[in-house]
Amino acid sequence: AQSVAQPEDQVNVAEGNPLTVKCTYSVSGNPYLFWYVQYPNRGLQFLLKYITGDNLVKGSYGFEAEFNKSQTSFHLKKPSALVSDSALYFCAVRPTYKYIFGTGTRLKVLA
Amino acid sequence: KAGVTQTPRYLIKTRGQQVTLSCSPISGHRSVSWYQQTPGQGLQFLFEYFSETQRNKGNFPGRFSGRQFSNSRSEMNVSTLELGDSALYLCASSTGFDGELFFGEGSRLTVL
Repeated sequence: AQSVAQPEDQVNVAEGNPLTVKCTYSVSGNPYLFWYVQYPNRGLQFLLKYITGDNLVKGSYGFEAEFNKSQTSFHLKKPSALVSDSALYFCAVRPTYKYIFGTGTRLKVLA
Repeated sequence: KAGVTQTPRYLIKTRGQQVTLSCSPISGHRSVSWYQQTPGQGLQFLFEYFSETQRNKGNFPGRFSGRQFSNSRSEMNVSTLELGDSALYLCASSTGFDGELFFGEGSRLTVL
């Protein structure tokens, strides 16, 4: 079965430190990969996507993600975390017309 | 450019009732998809419409239905509501091809 895994329910990081939110997937073929962020009582906002090309993708708000085909991973990263980055982050894959979302990782950036 | 608009934002219903939720996509977007978000289950795909045709459907019972109109606006309906239907229902629009999803702020349904 096709799936997306976000192994950490919550990630805590100090402000100014680098952050990583992990995502692995299990789908056939070469899916499109996405990261979305959700702030309280809001819908999801698009951060970045990987379709093809360079394995390091840059997105909004200083976020980037690294695609690793051999490990079927698409980890979200940021060099220096801000308190305002605290939110719920979702990884998603799109093998065909259907998006499959991970269960989300809550990022908490501590001042 | 106006974003995705969902109405109503909040609603309270009782078991057995039905509910209709509305979604107006971004102008020019032909694809509208619906998701149910709950704390325990995360984001669950309900269905996707593209140019008035249901292109994909998730694993939900037949009580959940939807449709898309010629102007791309979409509605979803849930009949015979159950307590477990309490959730945030999110609508997203896209061009329908390899583009990202643009989400509305959701309709929060509480079933008593």
